[in-house]
Amino acid sequence: GNSVTQMEGPVTLSEEAFLTINCTYTATGYPSLFWYVQYPGEGLQLLLKATKADDKGSNKGFEATYRKETTSFHLEKGSVQVSDSAVYFCALNAGGTSYGKLTFGQGTILTVHP
Amino acid sequence: GAGVSQTPSNKVTEKGKYVELRCDPISGHTALYWYRQSLGQGPEFLIYFQGTGAADDSGLPNDRFFAVRPEGSVSTLKIQRTERGDSAVYLCASSPDSIGLGTEAFFGQGTRLTVV
Repeated sequence: GNSVTQMEGPVTLSEEAFLTINCTYTATGYPSLFWYVQYPGEGLQLLLKATKADDKGSNKGFEATYRKETTSFHLEKGSVQVSDSAVYFCALNAGGTSYGKLTFGQGTILTVHP
Repeated sequence: GAGVSQTPSNKVTEKGKYVELRCDPISGHTALYWYRQSLGQGPEFLIYFQGTGAADDSGLPNDRFFAVRPEGSVSTLKIQRTERGDSAVYLCASSPDSIGLGTEAFFGQGTRLTVV
């Protein structure tokens, strides 16, 4: 079946540090890949996405590249801010019999200190 | 507001009771999803509606769980004979007409269900 594995958390960084959150996936076919973010007290919201191999999604200084050869979609940001503190979820939509369904990783808690 | 609305935001119920959780999607969105999120985990798919019909209910854990969307807008997730293991945050999301694999799902803030 389809699955998403995220790096173990939580992650604690100082402001302006470089961020990487690893995400690998298992899926049949050619899934679309997503990063969703959940800020404290808010609902899940889309951060970025990529729909085919070698696509790069980007938003708010975050980037992730769809790597089919390594089945990965790692999230990166060059300089984090305190306001980036949140829970980050990697997800995929594999289509086929799973059409309309997102499969999520377990989430990574990011805390950024001033 | 224009977002996905879920009510109630919190629900505490006794083991064995029946509960209903409501989701009001973004106006015009034909696709609606229910997910369940346990503490420290990512959301797990329960059911997906396209219009009024359940296109995929493969995530419903057992026959105590049921969901409806009679007019293709508001949806209700119904849980019978609740158990302590049903305690979780229940999330609703909706998407617009064009359901491609890259379509964004818009999430509500969830209903936190606690079964005591």
